[in-house]
Amino acid sequence: DIQMTQSPSFLSTSVGDRVTINCKASQNINRYLNWYQQRLGEAPKLLIHNANSLQTGIPSRFSGSGSGTDFTFTISSLQPEDVATYFCLQHNSWPRTFGGGTKLELK
Amino acid sequence: QVQLQQSGGELAKPGSSVKISCKASGYTFSNYYISWIKQTTGQGLEYTGYINTGSGGTNYNEKFKGKATLTVDKSSSTAFMQLSSLTPDDSAVYYCAREGAISFDYWGQGVMVTVSS
Repeated sequence: DIQMTQSPSFLSTSVGDRVTINCKASQNINRYLNWYQQRLGEAPKLLIHNANSLQTGIPSRFSGSGSGTDFTFTISSLQPEDVATYFCLQHNSWPRTFGGGTKLELK
Repeated sequence: QVQLQQSGGELAKPGSSVKISCKASGYTFSNYYISWIKQTTGQGLEYTGYINTGSGGTNYNEKFKGKATLTVDKSSSTAFMQLSSLTPDDSAVYYCAREGAISFDYWGQGVMVTVSS
């Protein structure tokens, strides 16, 4: 199975901050990586697919980059409603595997 | 609009089975796989497997072989996951998600399964 190592696991941030989250795959997954937001008690919501494609309806402050084994997710200017847990998913091969998640909190 | 509506929470005894459902609407059901994902605080998100809603073919994560059984009822656009021989380790929130050109683009609201005597 492909291991997805996500960092950091926790981030204390402020409104307006630039937030960066990383996912590293244990082997090449090309660009087959998605990023999700999960608010407490809700289902995950797709933000970015195939490493850098913004899902329809998602604000442009969210972006993704990377290919191969190293990927980055960025929120350019954190808004209060962005407080949530974010995680990555590789869909290059089965079984699909997930990063461990990054929980954002406001300072 | 695309929706995946899951069944309600389950409280089950150790050794028993539960069957949870995922009813799709707003798109052509047989054009997308349905995958199932387990979420716990300790283990995070784990992929259980998928069902090809057109053919009924399945693919299971090795870890869940013998634990999960995936089926589909095309007439009602509903996918099912049965979990058998339940133990407390099976307590989790289980999600279904659509998989197609964009993997895991829509998710159900989740079902909490609690295994307790």
